[in-house]
Amino acid sequence: GAVVSQHPSRVICKSGTSVKIECRSLDFQATTMFWYRQFPKQSLMLMATSNEGSKATYEQGVEKDKFLINHASLTLSTLTVTSAHPEDSSFYICSARVAGKSSYNEQFFGPGTRLTVL
Amino acid sequence: QKEVEQDPGPLSVPEGAIVSLNCTYSNSAFQYFMWYRQYSRKGPELLMYTYSSGNKEDGRFTAQVDKSSKYISLFIRDSQPSDSATYLCAMGESGANNLFFGTGTRLTVIP
Repeated sequence: GAVVSQHPSRVICKSGTSVKIECRSLDFQATTMFWYRQFPKQSLMLMATSNEGSKATYEQGVEKDKFLINHASLTLSTLTVTSAHPEDSSFYICSARVAGKSSYNEQFFGPGTRLTVL
Repeated sequence: QKEVEQDPGPLSVPEGAIVSLNCTYSNSAFQYFMWYRQYSRKGPELLMYTYSSGNKEDGRFTAQVDKSSKYISLFIRDSQPSDSATYLCAMGESGANNLFFGTGTRLTVIP
């Protein structure tokens, strides 16, 4: 149980295009999902917290107009990188927290999406 | 100064060895301390979850938290080749959402 999937696992795109990444909780409902980003040899950094049916909360320094988050259902959150540039190339990983739970050990991570912008 | 510091390794040990992985942190408000294991092309998987200071044991794994020194450790006894992975420490404050991660230590257990 507690499986989180991400799609695609890897994407290569041209500079200026937009890329959508999906995060799904497969066997549980998640009112809250989190989006992280990891640059090479750096830590996973929280970008934003996504709440079902409401606007996402972005961390300081993360452009909300560039990284569009939609959490339309209890099992799906999407991250759209708009007008991607090479500096957006990174590993994007989501986690989903079991609905009704608030502790860190009720968060489960997806396998990540490797984005390369040429 | 980073919130969480972790030696990235890589670390190679022979099968059966005791492995010690460590992280230090600067934020005294951290109350929750976690260790994740991440295999290649997979998401982090929660290994150990502790609250405040003390030790926690689960099979071959022992997590230690020393809040006075802002230092946490994960010990793996009788290490196996299947333990080869990247180990990430993470920590968080009470009532918050944000998890602060270390960079991860890449471990290889040689048969």
